[in-house]
Amino acid sequence: DTGVSQNPRHKITKRGQNVTFRCDPISEHNRLYWYRQTLGQGPEFLTYFQNEAQLEKSRLLSDRFSAERPKGSFSTLEIQRTEQGDSAMYLCASSLATLPSGPRDTQYFGPGTRLTVL
Amino acid sequence: GEDVEQSLFLSVREGDSSVINCTYTDSSSTYLYWYKQEPGAGLQLLTYIFSNMDMKQDQRLTVLLNKKDKHLSLRIADTQTGDSAIYFCAEVPGSSNTGKLIFGQGTTLQVKP
Repeated sequence: DTGVSQNPRHKITKRGQNVTFRCDPISEHNRLYWYRQTLGQGPEFLTYFQNEAQLEKSRLLSDRFSAERPKGSFSTLEIQRTEQGDSAMYLCASSLATLPSGPRDTQYFGPGTRLTVL
Repeated sequence: GEDVEQSLFLSVREGDSSVINCTYTDSSSTYLYWYKQEPGAGLQLLTYIFSNMDMKQDQRLTVLLNKKDKHLSLRIADTQTGDSAIYFCAEVPGSSNTGKLIFGQGTTLQVKP
């Protein structure tokens, strides 16, 4: 399967613990996005990478959240000192920018990591 | 501002056509997408349309775009029980250089046999 993969698929943790999620994008996709989806809502943008550079962060991404994309391949999203309000589905998407600039590419999503904070 | 709105629920009978509607506020949006999400799963891209188009057809799917009214619709012909899912419309804001998507809250489509 050459789609976007995410691990783990489910994570249950206690409040105050740290968690880390991994996303493996489609090979050679240079753009990678993280979104968060809470129950009954559409996904909300969290952050964006072009290759290894993190170029945009949403105000939803508090200082407890950090994302990396070393070497421009897989990405990790870490949440420190988790809170119950962090419970959500975390979605990763990737795309291949076909132009030097501009958003004219199509994002393909992974299956998501469902986080439950007790 | 950037806002996308959808009706929350639609119920149809198998074999009927389904029409899911979406409105958006960013008049500079150039690309609009439809995604499908089945329970517990990620988002599956269904189709997209460029703002210089009024209509796009892809097998059972027809997308209509009224740019003047900022209204987007997705028509599914001959709806099947397997089409039951949540459908999201999404836009790429004209101000964005990153391609981030702004999603509506989703329309749950229920298909009755």
